[in-house]
Amino acid sequence: SQKIEQNSEALNIQEGKTATLTCNYTNYSPAYLQWYRQDPGRGPVFLLLIRENEKEKRKERLKVTFDTTLKQSLFHITASQPADSATYLCAWTDSNYQLIWGAGTKLIIKP
Amino acid sequence: DAGVIQSPRHEVTEMGQEVTLRCKPISGHNSLFWYRQTMMRGLELLIYFNNNVPIDDSGMPEDRFSAKMPNASFSTLKIQPSEPRDSAVYFCASFELAGDTQYFGPGTRLTVL
Repeated sequence: SQKIEQNSEALNIQEGKTATLTCNYTNYSPAYLQWYRQDPGRGPVFLLLIRENEKEKRKERLKVTFDTTLKQSLFHITASQPADSATYLCAWTDSNYQLIWGAGTKLIIKP
Repeated sequence: DAGVIQSPRHEVTEMGQEVTLRCKPISGHNSLFWYRQTMMRGLELLIYFNNNVPIDDSGMPEDRFSAKMPNASFSTLKIQPSEPRDSAVYFCASFELAGDTQYFGPGTRLTVL
């Protein structure tokens, strides 16, 4: 079955450092994937999308990579700030625009 | 644009009661998704509408759950009768087929006692 895996352990990063989150998939060939941010008590908010023919996508301090050989996407936040603390979800999109979601990784940026 | 609007934001009810959750998608969006989120199971897709027509309801847990989209600006998710295991946060998200991303509402936190 299709499976999306994100590190379920919370990630603790010192302010100013780069945070890197991992999303792995199995038994699936996504057309593209998306990264969302979710704060407590709120719905997920879209951050970045990367297509299968793209290696990297950037937006301000955010960077996403897509490695179809490793079946993995990495999400980077450079110069991290306490305000970046949240749960980050990755989701793969199938041809029907349905999203297959990872469980999310909680990121904690310590001042 | 006000974004996706959901109501109520919180609902506490007793087992056996009927619960109706409401969603107003972003104007102009063609598709609407209902999700359920719990700590144990994460974000689960319940049902997906495209142009007001249910496309995939395979995620609906059982017959106690039903969803309707009578027009492009309104959808409901009904649980009858509700059970304690239905306690979760229910999200509605809308999507424009010409675009790529889903826009989520604030969610309804349902507690069934």
